[in-house]
Amino acid sequence: ILNVEQSPQSLHVQEGDSTNFTCSFPSSNFYALHWYRWETAKSPEALFVMTLNGDEKKKGRISATLNTKEGYSYLYIKGSQPEDSATYLCAFLRNTDKLIFGTGTRLQVFP
Amino acid sequence: DAGITQSPRHKVTETGTPVTLRCHQTENHRYMYWYRQDPGHGLRLIHYSYGVKDTDKGEVSDGYSVSRSKTEDFLLTLESATSSQTSVYFCAIREGRSGSYEQYFGPGTRLTVT
Repeated sequence: ILNVEQSPQSLHVQEGDSTNFTCSFPSSNFYALHWYRWETAKSPEALFVMTLNGDEKKKGRISATLNTKEGYSYLYIKGSQPEDSATYLCAFLRNTDKLIFGTGTRLQVFP
Repeated sequence: DAGITQSPRHKVTETGTPVTLRCHQTENHRYMYWYRQDPGHGLRLIHYSYGVKDTDKGEVSDGYSVSRSKTEDFLLTLESATSSQTSVYFCAIREGRSGSYEQYFGPGTRLTVT
């Protein structure tokens, strides 16, 4: 069984704070690492797909890095806003068929 | 919008009854997935399909069966619903054309087994 672990499980920050979370995954047989954003009462939406060691992706105030050799990825949010409140899921793609999801980091940003 | 719909969106059923959930897509994607979402577990894969009549099990497949007789429809059946199957069920398709293998999710079906 492959384990994808995310930390912390939940995070409460003030508007304007920057924050980051971690995703750990098996470092062998790596194909890709996905990050999804999941707002309450909605469906998960893809943020980033990362495939190469050292990859860095950015979308607005959100960025992510990837280290495939040690099996971790960081997601950063700069200057958090209340609309960033969501659960952030990472998922490990070992082959092209199946994603293995972590349990997510639930972020709440208070005004 | 990947053109994914799920039906029903909400269902309440009794223990022991069979239940079928439908996922429909309009963009001819080859791969389709069924997940369940439970507190503390994130998304867990139930079954997936890689083509018409081609399906495989995920990590939590016991008590579930699937069928795919047409590219656009992927059905999930709970053969005899139990309270432990109360959950939110998400269907997804895999985007394979760009090589990213992103998954796009349907709106979810909330199932309550009483």
